[in-house]
Amino acid sequence: GAVVSQHPSRVICKSGTSVKIECRSLDFQATTMFWYRQFPKKSLMLMATSNEGSKATYEQGVEKDKFLINHASLTLSTLTVTSAHPEDSSFYICSAASSGNTIYFGEGSWLTVV
Amino acid sequence: QKEVEQDPGPLSVPEGAIVSLNCTYSNSAFQYFMWYRQYSRKGPELLMYTYSSGNKEDGRFTAQVDKSSKYISLFIRDSQPSDSATYLCAMSETGANNLFFGTGTRLTVIP
Repeated sequence: GAVVSQHPSRVICKSGTSVKIECRSLDFQATTMFWYRQFPKKSLMLMATSNEGSKATYEQGVEKDKFLINHASLTLSTLTVTSAHPEDSSFYICSAASSGNTIYFGEGSWLTVV
Repeated sequence: QKEVEQDPGPLSVPEGAIVSLNCTYSNSAFQYFMWYRQYSRKGPELLMYTYSSGNKEDGRFTAQVDKSSKYISLFIRDSQPSDSATYLCAMSETGANNLFFGTGTRLTVIP
C-alpha cells in the first residue's frame, strides 16, 4: 500500500520554542494532505487541510498563526508549532490523499513541550 | 448527534473468535467507508475501503455497508493476538476530503 512518512516520530522541546513536523508521501503525489491531532484514548481531530501551492484551510478553533502549515511540493507538507506550550503536547498525525481517493496516514509524531 | 457513532469498547475476545465491530452514522450522503487499525502510539493503517453498499472481503477481514440502515461493520475471523489494536471507522461524502471518524473501538485478543 501507499506509504506516508512522518518525521520526527518523537520530539521534546522547551516551552516557547517552535518545532517542525514533516509529512511525506513516498510513492505517490498528494495534492492534498491533512493534519490531525489525537488526544489519549480519543479519536482523530482534523486540524487543517493542506493543499499544494495554496494556503491551508483550518478547522474552526485551530489557530493558524500557531500551527503553520506549508505544502511546498506534491510530496511534502510541514506543520510548525510556533511558541509551543505544554498544552500543545499531543500526538500529531498527517495523512495524504492518493489519486485513488483513499487516505493514508503517517506514523504520527509525539510532541512533548516541557 | 455525532456524525459517526462507534462503541469505544474495550472489547476482549479469546484467540480464534469472530470479532464484530460496528459504526452507525447519520449523514445519508456518506458514500465512502473505511476501516483503520491503529496500534498503540502509531498512526492509523488503512484496512478496508468500500464505496457505497455491499460487502468486501480481504483475507480474515470482511467489511459490510448497509446504507439503508446507516450501519457499517467490520468482521475479523480467526482473531489473533496481533489483531489487538484500536479500530476506527471513517466515512466521507466525497472520498479523500472531509473524513468523519468514529471514536475507535479498542480490541484485545487474548491468547
